[in-house]
Amino acid sequence: EAGVAQSPRYKIIEKRQSVAFWCNPISGHATLYWYQQILGQGPKLLIQFQNNGVVDDSQLPKDRFSAERLKGVDSTLKIQPAKLEDSAVYLCASSLERTFFNEQFFGPGTRLTVL
Amino acid sequence: SQQGEEDPQALSIQEGENATMNCSYKTSINNLQWYRQNSGRGLVHLILIRSNEREKHSGRLRVTLDTSKKSSSLLITASRAADTASYFCATGKTGANNLFFGTGTRLTVIP
Repeated sequence: EAGVAQSPRYKIIEKRQSVAFWCNPISGHATLYWYQQILGQGPKLLIQFQNNGVVDDSQLPKDRFSAERLKGVDSTLKIQPAKLEDSAVYLCASSLERTFFNEQFFGPGTRLTVL
Repeated sequence: SQQGEEDPQALSIQEGENATMNCSYKTSINNLQWYRQNSGRGLVHLILIRSNEREKHSGRLRVTLDTSKKSSSLLITASRAADTASYFCATGKTGANNLFFGTGTRLTVIP
């Protein structure tokens, strides 16, 4: 079974530029998550999708971050414009819809450096 | 905040020794999970313990949960160099689909 795919693996941009990350979850997983992991910290949930609908985006900085999952499969996360403090690893995860206990499967992440 | 906190922040042991990491959390949960993260990689699910369970084993892993103290521990027995990684606890709450991750313990196993 293929795992969660993410691209790119690394991205370096200047502040105020835009960047987009892509995620393809495990086939059949209805729930998709985007996390931000700052160096030395645990992952922090940015947004959660159930199929193509947003379940939780309470911690997403909506003035600069946006995400979509138009067909309920793959997803993109965008930052526009980027700030220095956005430097982090952006992790995508997915899980089955009908599990009561929510085991999540993570992709390798995209390491973003904002200069 | 529901976020867990791991203790210690960093742990260094010799290969073959046991490693114990602790996690404390603040609110009621319905399950607690442990994940491993190798340097520069994504997280891998290790083990899940439900709120009505007190202990669970998986290979060289042993997890305990004390809901009265809002704490959990992860024991790795007979550690190997390949166990070198960061370990995170994550808590799940009844009625919610998301997980809250702790700050992690950085384990180094010296060959």
